[in-house]
Amino acid sequence: GENVEQHPSTLSVQEGDSAVIKCTYSDSASNYFPWYKQELGKRPQLIIDIRSNVGEKKDQRIAVTLNKTAKHFSLHITETQPEDSAVYFCAASTGTASKLTFGTGTRLQVTL
Amino acid sequence: GAVVSQHPSWVICKSGTSVKIECRSLDFQATTMFWYRQFPKQSLMLMATSNEGSKATYEQGVEKDKFLINHASLTLSTLTVTSAHPEDSSFYICSALVENYGYTFGSGTRLTVV
Repeated sequence: GENVEQHPSTLSVQEGDSAVIKCTYSDSASNYFPWYKQELGKRPQLIIDIRSNVGEKKDQRIAVTLNKTAKHFSLHITETQPEDSAVYFCAASTGTASKLTFGTGTRLQVTL
Repeated sequence: GAVVSQHPSWVICKSGTSVKIECRSLDFQATTMFWYRQFPKQSLMLMATSNEGSKATYEQGVEKDKFLINHASLTLSTLTVTSAHPEDSSFYICSALVENYGYTFGSGTRLTVV
Protein backbone atom coordinates (compact mmCIF):
# COMPACT_ATOMS: atom_id res chain seq x y z
CA GLY A 1 0.00 0.00 0.00
CA GLU A 2 0.86 3.67 -0.07
CA ASN A 3 3.47 5.02 2.30
CA VAL A 4 3.88 8.74 2.83
CA GLU A 5 6.91 10.16 4.60
CA GLN A 6 7.04 13.74 5.84
CA HIS A 7 9.89 15.96 7.00
CA PRO A 8 10.69 17.73 9.19
CA SER A 9 8.70 16.60 12.20
CA THR A 10 9.10 20.01 13.82
CA LEU A 11 9.87 23.37 12.29
CA SER A 12 10.39 26.68 14.01
CA VAL A 13 10.57 29.87 11.98
CA GLN A 14 10.46 33.54 12.76
CA GLU A 15 7.47 35.56 11.75
CA GLY A 16 7.82 36.71 8.17
CA ASP A 17 10.17 33.90 7.16
CA SER A 18 9.24 31.07 4.83
CA ALA A 19 8.51 27.48 5.83
CA VAL A 20 8.93 24.41 3.66
CA ILE A 21 7.61 20.94 4.43
CA LYS A 22 8.43 17.98 2.23
CA CYS A 23 6.71 14.66 1.58
CA THR A 24 7.52 11.59 -0.45
CA TYR A 25 5.11 8.89 -1.51
CA SER A 26 5.59 5.35 -2.70
CA ASP A 27 2.59 4.49 -4.90
CA SER A 28 3.03 5.77 -8.44
CA ALA A 29 -0.75 5.45 -8.91
CA SER A 30 -1.38 8.25 -6.40
CA ASN A 31 -2.76 11.27 -8.19
CA TYR A 32 -4.18 13.56 -5.51
CA PHE A 33 -2.06 15.29 -2.88
CA PRO A 34 -3.77 17.49 -0.29
CA TRP A 35 -2.22 19.38 2.58
CA TYR A 36 -4.03 19.81 5.87
CA LYS A 37 -3.64 22.08 8.86
CA GLN A 38 -4.77 20.65 12.15
CA GLU A 39 -5.14 22.48 15.40
CA LEU A 40 -5.26 20.60 18.66
CA GLY A 41 -8.43 18.57 19.05
CA LYS A 42 -9.85 19.77 15.74
CA ARG A 43 -10.53 18.20 12.39
CA PRO A 44 -7.94 18.59 9.62
CA GLN A 45 -8.55 21.62 7.42
CA LEU A 46 -7.63 21.51 3.77
CA ILE A 47 -5.28 24.36 2.93
CA ILE A 48 -4.24 23.43 -0.59
CA ASP A 49 -4.18 20.42 -2.86
CA ILE A 50 -2.64 19.40 -6.14
CA ARG A 51 -3.39 16.75 -8.70
CA SER A 52 -0.86 14.78 -10.66
CA ASN A 53 -1.48 16.64 -13.91
CA VAL A 54 -0.17 19.85 -12.37
CA GLY A 55 3.35 20.66 -11.20
CA GLU A 56 2.66 23.65 -9.02
CA LYS A 57 -0.26 25.44 -7.44
CA LYS A 58 -0.38 28.65 -5.46
CA ASP A 59 -2.96 30.30 -3.24
CA GLN A 60 -1.81 33.59 -1.75
CA ARG A 61 0.96 32.75 0.76
CA ILE A 62 0.70 29.02 0.25
CA ALA A 63 2.08 26.97 -2.62
CA VAL A 64 2.53 23.31 -3.37
CA THR A 65 4.92 21.71 -5.84
CA LEU A 66 4.79 18.17 -7.17
CA ASN A 67 7.54 16.11 -8.76
CA LYS A 68 5.92 12.93 -10.06
CA THR A 69 9.16 11.45 -11.28
CA ALA A 70 10.77 11.69 -7.86
CA LYS A 71 7.46 11.04 -6.09
CA HIS A 72 7.70 14.00 -3.81
CA PHE A 73 5.69 17.10 -3.12
CA SER A 74 6.29 20.12 -0.94
CA LEU A 75 4.34 22.79 0.90
CA HIS A 76 5.68 26.32 0.90
CA ILE A 77 4.35 29.00 3.23
CA THR A 78 5.71 32.49 2.74
CA GLU A 79 5.52 35.47 5.10
CA THR A 80 4.60 33.23 7.99
CA GLN A 81 2.38 34.57 10.75
CA PRO A 82 1.83 33.34 14.33
CA GLU A 83 -1.58 31.99 13.32
CA ASP A 84 0.17 29.62 10.92
CA SER A 85 1.41 27.71 13.97
CA ALA A 86 -0.22 24.27 13.88
CA VAL A 87 0.43 20.72 12.78
CA TYR A 88 0.51 20.19 9.04
CA PHE A 89 -0.12 16.89 7.30
CA CYS A 90 0.46 15.90 3.73
CA ALA A 91 -1.58 13.08 2.24
CA ALA A 92 -1.88 11.04 -0.92
CA SER A 93 -4.73 9.26 -2.64
CA THR A 94 -5.21 7.28 -5.82
CA GLY A 95 -8.49 9.00 -6.56
CA THR A 96 -12.13 8.06 -6.69
CA ALA A 97 -13.43 6.25 -3.60
CA SER A 98 -9.87 5.89 -2.42
CA LYS A 99 -8.57 6.36 1.09
CA LEU A 100 -6.20 9.12 2.07
CA THR A 101 -2.83 8.08 3.42
CA PHE A 102 -1.38 10.72 5.70
CA GLY A 103 2.18 11.72 6.34
CA THR A 104 3.55 11.76 9.87
CA GLY A 105 2.94 15.45 10.40
CA THR A 106 5.01 18.59 10.93
CA ARG A 107 4.58 20.81 13.94
CA LEU A 108 5.17 24.36 12.75
CA GLN A 109 5.84 27.08 15.25
CA VAL A 110 6.05 30.66 14.13
CA THR A 111 7.78 32.83 16.67
CA LEU A 112 7.58 36.61 17.00
CA GLY B 1 -21.71 22.11 1.57
CA ALA B 2 -20.41 18.55 2.18
CA VAL B 3 -20.82 18.60 5.95
CA VAL B 4 -20.28 15.54 8.12
CA SER B 5 -21.73 15.79 11.60
CA GLN B 6 -19.92 13.60 14.14
CA HIS B 7 -21.18 12.79 17.64
CA PRO B 8 -20.30 12.73 20.38
CA SER B 9 -17.42 15.20 20.37
CA TRP B 10 -16.06 13.63 23.52
CA VAL B 11 -16.91 10.66 25.68
CA ILE B 12 -15.58 9.06 28.83
CA CYS B 13 -16.41 5.44 29.46
CA LYS B 14 -15.42 2.70 31.84
CA SER B 15 -13.22 -0.20 30.80
CA GLY B 16 -15.23 -3.05 29.39
CA THR B 17 -18.11 -0.95 28.12
CA SER B 18 -18.96 -0.09 24.53
CA VAL B 19 -19.13 3.29 22.88
CA LYS B 20 -20.85 4.23 19.64
CA ILE B 21 -19.69 7.10 17.46
CA GLU B 22 -21.95 8.43 14.72
CA CYS B 23 -21.17 10.27 11.53
CA ARG B 24 -23.98 11.75 9.49
CA SER B 25 -23.67 13.35 6.11
CA LEU B 26 -25.98 16.34 6.21
CA ASP B 27 -26.12 17.54 2.62
CA PHE B 28 -24.79 14.72 0.51
CA GLN B 29 -24.96 10.97 0.25
CA ALA B 30 -21.92 9.20 1.63
CA THR B 31 -21.41 5.97 -0.24
CA THR B 32 -18.07 5.50 1.42
CA MET B 33 -16.92 6.58 4.87
CA PHE B 34 -13.37 6.33 6.14
CA TRP B 35 -12.67 5.93 9.85
CA TYR B 36 -9.39 7.19 11.27
CA ARG B 37 -7.78 7.04 14.68
CA GLN B 38 -5.27 9.59 15.90
CA PHE B 39 -3.19 9.12 19.03
CA PRO B 40 -1.66 12.20 20.70
CA LYS B 41 1.06 13.83 18.61
CA GLN B 42 0.66 11.23 15.88
CA SER B 43 -0.83 11.11 12.43
CA LEU B 44 -4.27 9.99 11.31
CA MET B 45 -4.23 6.25 10.75
CA LEU B 46 -6.96 4.65 8.70
CA MET B 47 -8.81 1.99 10.62
CA ALA B 48 -11.43 0.92 8.12
CA THR B 49 -13.44 1.86 5.08
CA SER B 50 -17.18 1.44 5.22
CA ASN B 51 -19.43 1.18 2.20
CA GLU B 52 -23.17 1.60 2.36
CA GLY B 53 -24.92 -1.73 2.46
CA SER B 54 -21.84 -3.91 2.64
CA LYS B 55 -19.21 -5.05 5.09
CA ALA B 56 -16.44 -2.70 6.07
CA THR B 57 -12.87 -3.23 4.95
CA TYR B 58 -10.44 -3.13 7.84
CA GLU B 59 -6.80 -2.15 7.70
CA GLN B 60 -4.19 -4.63 8.76
CA GLY B 61 -3.93 -4.91 12.51
CA VAL B 62 -7.38 -3.47 13.25
CA GLU B 63 -9.67 -5.91 15.03
CA LYS B 64 -12.97 -6.02 13.20
CA ASP B 65 -14.74 -7.65 16.15
CA LYS B 66 -13.64 -4.86 18.44
CA PHE B 67 -14.33 -1.94 16.14
CA LEU B 68 -17.75 -2.57 14.67
CA ILE B 69 -18.71 -0.44 11.72
CA ASN B 70 -22.20 -0.10 10.37
CA HIS B 71 -23.09 1.85 7.26
CA ALA B 72 -26.74 1.01 6.82
CA SER B 73 -27.74 4.15 4.99
CA LEU B 74 -26.21 6.73 2.67
CA THR B 75 -26.27 9.33 5.43
CA LEU B 76 -25.16 7.44 8.51
CA SER B 77 -22.08 5.46 9.43
CA THR B 78 -21.32 4.33 12.96
CA LEU B 79 -18.24 3.03 14.74
CA THR B 80 -18.74 1.05 17.92
CA VAL B 81 -15.74 0.43 20.14
CA THR B 82 -16.62 -2.74 22.03
CA SER B 83 -15.16 -3.75 25.37
CA ALA B 84 -13.14 -0.57 25.46
CA HIS B 85 -9.82 -0.46 27.28
CA PRO B 86 -7.57 2.46 28.21
CA GLU B 87 -5.35 1.78 25.18
CA ASP B 88 -8.37 2.54 22.97
CA SER B 89 -8.35 6.10 24.24
CA SER B 90 -7.80 8.21 21.17
CA PHE B 91 -9.26 10.76 18.76
CA TYR B 92 -11.56 9.07 16.27
CA ILE B 93 -12.54 10.90 13.11
CA CYS B 94 -14.60 10.00 10.08
CA SER B 95 -14.16 11.23 6.54
CA ALA B 96 -16.10 10.98 3.30
CA LEU B 97 -15.04 11.60 -0.27
CA VAL B 98 -17.56 13.84 -1.98
CA GLU B 99 -17.74 13.96 -5.76
CA ASN B 100 -16.56 17.30 -7.16
CA TYR B 101 -15.69 18.48 -3.65
CA GLY B 102 -13.02 16.31 -2.12
CA TYR B 103 -12.61 14.81 1.31
CA THR B 104 -14.69 16.14 4.17
CA PHE B 105 -14.07 15.32 7.82
CA GLY B 106 -16.23 14.98 10.87
CA SER B 107 -15.28 17.08 13.89
CA GLY B 108 -13.81 14.08 15.69
CA THR B 109 -14.57 12.23 18.91
CA ARG B 110 -12.20 12.26 21.84
CA LEU B 111 -12.60 8.89 23.59
CA THR B 112 -11.21 8.42 27.08
CA VAL B 113 -11.48 4.99 28.67
CA VAL B 114 -11.00 4.90 32.43
